[in-house]
Amino acid sequence: DAGVIQSPRHEVTEMGQEVTLRCKPISGHNSLFWYRQTMMRGLELLIYFNNNVPIDDSGMPEDRFSAKMPNASFSTLKIQPSEPRDSAVYFCASSFSSNQPQHFGDGTRLSIL
Amino acid sequence: GIQVEQSPPDLILQEGANSTLRCNFSDSVNNLQWFHQNPWGQLINLFYIPSGTKQNGRLSATTVATERYSLLYISSSQTTDSGVYFCAVSGAGSYQLTFGKGTKLSVIP
Repeated sequence: DAGVIQSPRHEVTEMGQEVTLRCKPISGHNSLFWYRQTMMRGLELLIYFNNNVPIDDSGMPEDRFSAKMPNASFSTLKIQPSEPRDSAVYFCASSFSSNQPQHFGDGTRLSIL
Repeated sequence: GIQVEQSPPDLILQEGANSTLRCNFSDSVNNLQWFHQNPWGQLINLFYIPSGTKQNGRLSATTVATERYSLLYISSSQTTDSGVYFCAVSGAGSYQLTFGKGTKLSVIP
């Protein structure tokens, strides 16, 4: 079975540019999570979707960040405009339900110059 | 929110040695997972273990929910076991996984 699929694996761009990260959850999973990993703050939850509906976006750092889940098999995390402090590894995870084990994608390593 | 503490922060082992990693948490949990982050950055699920004991090859884990801790055992360590091991928990009624700071394991030949 395919796991959680993220793209791109790596992204390098200049500050001010728009960045879009993509995620395909495991088929049949109704919960989707976006996390960010940095050396300073470790792994942090950015946003949680249940049945394609955003339930908790309290972890989204600021208005430059937005996330969508137009259907059960696709989600995006967008940063506009990007800043160097957004450089991090962004993970998408999905689970069968909110309190079941979460399965992580391979992450997107984002570098903003 | 729930607090997660992992120990030790760093561990160096000779290949073939055994080790125990510990995870303490501050409140009741409905989800506890152990992950291995390999040198390529991938987060690999090891165990989903909110209570009880599980084994998978050379790895096993035990969670004592009433005493709020979990242990990860690695036996006959191999160089491929190197990386960072994370414990992550979510409290009762919550969906949010809170991660510990991890144990960085280095297995040397």
